Amino acid sequence: NAGVTQTPKFRVLKTGQSMTLLCAQDMNHEYMYWYRQDPGMGLRLIHYSVGEGTTAKGEVPDGYNVSRLKKQNFLLGLESAAPSQTSVYFCASSKQGSGANVLTFGAGSRLTVL
Amino acid sequence: GENVEQHPSTLSVQEGDSAVIKCTYSDSASNYFPWYKQELGKRPQLIIDIRSNVGEKKDQRIAVTLNKTAKHFSLHITETQPEDSAVYFCAASITGSQGNLIFGKGTKLSVKP
Repeated sequence: NAGVTQTPKFRVLKTGQSMTLLCAQDMNHEYMYWYRQDPGMGLRLIHYSVGEGTTAKGEVPDGYNVSRLKKQNFLLGLESAAPSQTSVYFCASSKQGSGANVLTFGAGSRLTVL
Repeated sequence: GENVEQHPSTLSVQEGDSAVIKCTYSDSASNYFPWYKQELGKRPQLIIDIRSNVGEKKDQRIAVTLNKTAKHFSLHITETQPEDSAVYFCAASITGSQGNLIFGKGTKLSVKP
C-alpha cells in the first residue's frame, strides 16, 4: 500500500516549457487535490477533483490545468511555465470531501522554473 | 470565502515547556478544524482535528480548543520535545462534499534541548 505517490520529485524547467506532474493513489479515494506550498504562504489549493472525470478550481488555478481520467490518477499540467510557478507541489487525496476527512499527502514535487 | 489567519509565524521554546499556536477564521459556517504537522522535507500529516460541536479535544500531549463565538481555535502542545520541531498548519472548512480546507500560513516551532 503506497498511499499517494507523486512523480517526478524534482524538475527544472525553462520559462515557457510545459510539463505534467502525476499523482497516483491506491486507497480508492474519491477526492484528490493539488496544492502548492511557498515559503510563508502555507498550502494553497490549485485544483481538485470529487471523482473520476471531474475537476474544479481551487484558490490559485491560473496557469494550471488538471485531468482525472482514472480514479486513481490526478494530473497537474503547466502549459507554459513561469518563474512564479516555482514551488513545491503536493498532491493529496481523501475518502470524502476534505471538509471533514483526513487528507493523505504525497511526498511533494519540487519545481524550479528558470 | 474563508480566510484563516495563524499566529505566530515562528515559535521557539525550551524542551519541556508548552507551546500554543492560534488561528482565527472568517466564515462562521466553518465547522471542521484540523491541524497538520510538517517535519522538515516531509509531507504534512494530520495530528488532531476538532468539529464545531466540541469545545476541546485532547490526544496525549496535544490539545485543540475551539471558540466558535470568537471564531478562533488553538493548538496546545505540553511537555515539548525536540521531535515536536516542525511547521504546524491550521485549517478550516465547511463539512460536506463541497467543503475544501483553507490552510493558515503555518507556524515554525523550534524546540531547543
